[in-house]
Parts: sequence; C-alpha cells; structure tokens
Amino acid sequence: SSELTQDPAVSVALGQTVRITCQGDSLRSYYASWYQQKPGQAPVLVIYGKNNRPSGIPDRFSGSSSGNTASLTITGAQAEDEADYYCNSRDSSGNLVFGGGTKLTVL
Amino acid sequence: QLQLQESGPGLVKPSETLSLTCTVSGGSISSSSYYWGWIRQPPGKGLEWIGSIYYSGSTYYNPSLKSRVTISVDTSKNQFSLKLSSVTAADTAVYYCARGYSGYCSGGSCYFLDYWGQGTLVTVSS
Repeated sequence: SSELTQDPAVSVALGQTVRITCQGDSLRSYYASWYQQKPGQAPVLVIYGKNNRPSGIPDRFSGSSSGNTASLTITGAQAEDEADYYCNSRDSSGNLVFGGGTKLTVL
Repeated sequence: QLQLQESGPGLVKPSETLSLTCTVSGGSISSSSYYWGWIRQPPGKGLEWIGSIYYSGSTYYNPSLKSRVTISVDTSKNQFSLKLSSVTAADTAVYYCARGYSGYCSGGSCYFLDYWGQGTLVTVSS
C-alpha cells in the first residue's frame, strides 16, 4: 500500500504561521485529510478536500496540495493548536493510509 | 449530532480474538454516502487504519492485518463490529471507530473520517 510521509516534529512561535507537510504518491490522485489529536483525545478532522473546514474549525487552518505533497497551514498559531497532526488519504486499491504524524509545538 | 461509541473487553489474552462493537446514534448506518471504519493507535505511536466497510457490504482491510481482521455491520442495531484474531501484545492499542466519507468534493476525490468514537484501550496480556 501507499505511504504518507510527515516530519516528526515542527515548532512555531505563538502567533506565527506554520506549515505541516505530507508526501505520498497517492496524493497525486486523492486529496489528503488532516486530523488534530490532543493527548488523551480522539482525532478531530480539521481539513478535507481541496481546502474545506468542518463546522467549528477556526479559519486559521487551511489546506493546499501540489503534486505529491499536501500541506496544512496554521496562520497565527495559538497555544491551543499544540497537538499531533496526521494526514490521511487512500491508495489505488481502496485502502486508507495515515501519515506518521507531526508533533506541533507552539513556543 | 452523530455519535459513535466503542464497546468491548479491555483485556484480551494472547492468541484469542479481540471483538469490539461500535454503536452509532444520531444517524443511520445505512446511508449510502458513508462508510464505517476502525483505526487503532498503540501507546505513544501513530494512527493505523485497520479496515472499512461500505453500505454495500464491501470491505477493505489493511494488508498487514487482512488475514486476521473481519469487519461486519448490523443495520438492525445501527452497529458495526471488529474482530481481530490471534492477537499478540503488538495489538495492544486504543481502538477507534469512525465514519468516513467517500466521494466527490472540491472538484476531486475525497476520503475523510468526520466522526470518531472516543476510543477504547484494549490490552493484550495473559
């Protein structure tokens, strides 16, 4: 099955902009979705499709895609954005795959 | 508001079968727009997709687990279930159930998991 690759850790200063990336061949055909997970909690969908946010997700979260790379951008990161972020997509066989996750630290 | 709730034993012995059920409330499990999936997360590690079942009954399983996994749906109870056989300590994880969307959006193909259960920890130990 296809793999999705994420940087293990990223940091950002409070109020600044950070981009978290996800690479994989399947992203040439299918949009990635992005999930935020805080300690002890279930993942929460924050971005899906080209750049869609579910109800209740702040507009500082946005998504983009180019070639085999999908990106999640947080513009004006807040302390409460500190969390693990996972990308997810499917491969040509219909299987879902998750990236390894990126731990975001807000300094 | 759709809600999903996992239930099942929190402790399973090695070589036995792990069985979990996800009860869906606030919506129908029979909707053609969605599929239902299981995802797990070993302690301190990332998310791993286990498998999914569509309203048509079609199932997709993680190739690495395929020989041991069965996912089924009981529409009369609005539930879907996971069975994982021959478990070992490596199967110790928080198990989540989730609703997935598969279809067209944003001018392309979208697959995402929009509702998740709270997760249930299953420990494999004698």
